[in-house]
Amino acid sequence: EIVMTQSPATLSVSPGERATLSCRASQSVSSNLAWYQQKPGQAPRLLIYGASTRATGIPARFSGSGSGTEFTLTISSLQSEDFAVYYCQQYNNWPPALTFGGGTKVEIK
Amino acid sequence: QLQLQESGPGLVKPSETLSLTCTVSGGSISSSSYYWGWIRQPPGKGLEWIGSIYYSGSTYYNPSLKSRVTISVDTSKNQFSLKLSSVTAADTAVYYCARELATKVLIVFDYWGQGTLVTVSS
Repeated sequence: EIVMTQSPATLSVSPGERATLSCRASQSVSSNLAWYQQKPGQAPRLLIYGASTRATGIPARFSGSGSGTEFTLTISSLQSEDFAVYYCQQYNNWPPALTFGGGTKVEIK
Repeated sequence: QLQLQESGPGLVKPSETLSLTCTVSGGSISSSSYYWGWIRQPPGKGLEWIGSIYYSGSTYYNPSLKSRVTISVDTSKNQFSLKLSSVTAADTAVYYCARELATKVLIVFDYWGQGTLVTVSS
């Protein structure tokens, strides 16, 4: 099983500032990585796939980068609606054994 | 607009079988390029993929749960279902159904149900 590790567990950021979230895979997943946003009481929402491609309707302030085992989600200027928990998910190999990271909570500083 | 809705008992006794159904509306469950998946989230914790099914009935499961999981599909009702046997308190979670965009280079969940809390308790 590929283990996904996210850091930090909690990130305190002021509105308007940049947030940088990390996700590390226990073995290479190439660019087969997605990011999701989850707000309290809601289902996750797909943000990024293919490590760097924004999903439909996702604002340009969200960007993803990385390949292999190290990935980053950057929110360039945090808006109030961006405070949430973010998860990475890998989808390498076939048949796939999909795994998620433990999440990073982005909170208001 | 595609919508998914989970339904089933909110309380299951230990050692029994958890059964949930996901009803898909606004689109066909028989669409190509899409699988249909189940994901769960214990209270206050992260996400765990359970398994996925194609409209043809082809399935793949999380290896850690495979011995206890069965996912099936009913295309006539535009529904797919989850059965998890021999449940314990550790299976208490919000269970989500989701559409899985699955191609040779991409497997992600792009539409989700609202989730349903299932508690395992006597």
